[in-house]
Amino acid sequence: SQKIEQNSEALNIQEGKTATLTCNYTNYSPAYLQWYRQDPGRGPVFLLLIRENEKEKRKERLKVTFDTTLKQSLFHITASQPADSATYLCALPTGGGNKLTFGTGTQLKVEL
Amino acid sequence: NAGVTQTPKFRILKIGQSMTLQCTQDMNHNYMYWYRQDPGMGLKLIYYSVGAGITDKGEVPNGYNVSRSTTEDFPLRLELAAPSQTSVYFCASSYPQGGIYNEQFFGPGTRLTVL
Repeated sequence: SQKIEQNSEALNIQEGKTATLTCNYTNYSPAYLQWYRQDPGRGPVFLLLIRENEKEKRKERLKVTFDTTLKQSLFHITASQPADSATYLCALPTGGGNKLTFGTGTQLKVEL
Repeated sequence: NAGVTQTPKFRILKIGQSMTLQCTQDMNHNYMYWYRQDPGMGLKLIYYSVGAGITDKGEVPNGYNVSRSTTEDFPLRLELAAPSQTSVYFCASSYPQGGIYNEQFFGPGTRLTVL
């Protein structure tokens, strides 16, 4: 069956360092992959979409890579700030209707 | 634009009661979704709709019903509330343009407790 895995353990890093979050998937051949940010008590907010023919995508301090051979996406936040503390979710398309299946998310805590 | 709005924000139900969770979007999106999110379990799709009058089941539809009479509104109905339906419910919408799928826009959520 299709499965998406994100590290369930929280990632604690110091301010200014680069945070790297991992999304692994099995039994998928996705045309694209999305990353969302979710703050406590709020709905997820879209950050980036990367397509299968794109190795890397950047947006300001965010960088996403997509390795369809390894079936893995890495999400990087450079020069991290306490305001980056949140849960980050990856999502893959599943079936019609623009449906997405979400990973369980990884909580990031950026400390001063 | 208000985006996706949901009401109520919080609700406590007794076992066996019924309620409707409201969802409205003002972005003219034709695709809409209902998810539930339990701690550590991620978002699970309950129902979705690709346009007015068209709905379909997601991964966890049991105990829920939906309708889509307009582009803007996509209410979720719980007929006989059970403790297993205690969760946070999110509504979302999207608009696939030119065959390229776009992101989903989420509402603020409804926190439901069934006692």
